Amino acid sequence: QKEVEQNSGPLSVPEGAIASLNCTYSDRGSQSFFWYRQYSGKSPELIMFIYSNGDKEDGRFTAQLNKASQYVSLLIRDSQPSDSATYLCAVRSGAGSYQLTFGKGTKLSVIP
Amino acid sequence: DVKVTQSSRYLVKRTGEKVFLECVQDMDHENMFWYRQDPGLGLRLIYFSYDVKMKEKGDIPEGYSVSREKKERFSLILESASTNQTSMYLCASTSSGSSYNEQFFGPGTRLTVL
Repeated sequence: QKEVEQNSGPLSVPEGAIASLNCTYSDRGSQSFFWYRQYSGKSPELIMFIYSNGDKEDGRFTAQLNKASQYVSLLIRDSQPSDSATYLCAVRSGAGSYQLTFGKGTKLSVIP
Repeated sequence: DVKVTQSSRYLVKRTGEKVFLECVQDMDHENMFWYRQDPGLGLRLIYFSYDVKMKEKGDIPEGYSVSREKKERFSLILESASTNQTSMYLCASTSSGSSYNEQFFGPGTRLTVL
């Protein structure tokens, strides 16, 4: 059974701080990794994906991947109240598979 | 603008009723998925389809069936609704060809079974 683990939170950070969201996965053959944001009552929307070890930056968001440790993280710099949401980590296994395994999500609250 | 639509945002049904949830995507995607999302349990895959008339069981297929007669449409069927099927149902789609293709989600259907 492929597993994706996230701290459920809630994670509270003050406005302007860095929020760090973490995710571990069990399947060593996993190839690509996605971070989705889900506002309350809404459906998930993609923030970033990463597939190579190291960092990938997009605006205030940085995704980090360490395949040896089976660990992926999302950093949000200069956190804003509008970043308050649940963040879902999703993992796709080997080539030819289009399924995603989702973590249960981390709820982030950015305090003004 | 890419779009996944679901037939209803809110639905209330009675125990034992047959329930149809429909999903339509306009992106010519090969792959479509049905999830349910429950507090504390996250997103769980019910069924998916990688082509017309093709279907595969996900992690929790019991009590559900699906139909994909056309590429753009994927239906989830609850043969005899039960109270434990009260949940948020999310449809998603993605194209084939790359492992980096994101799944696009519909707005969700909140189903209540009384």
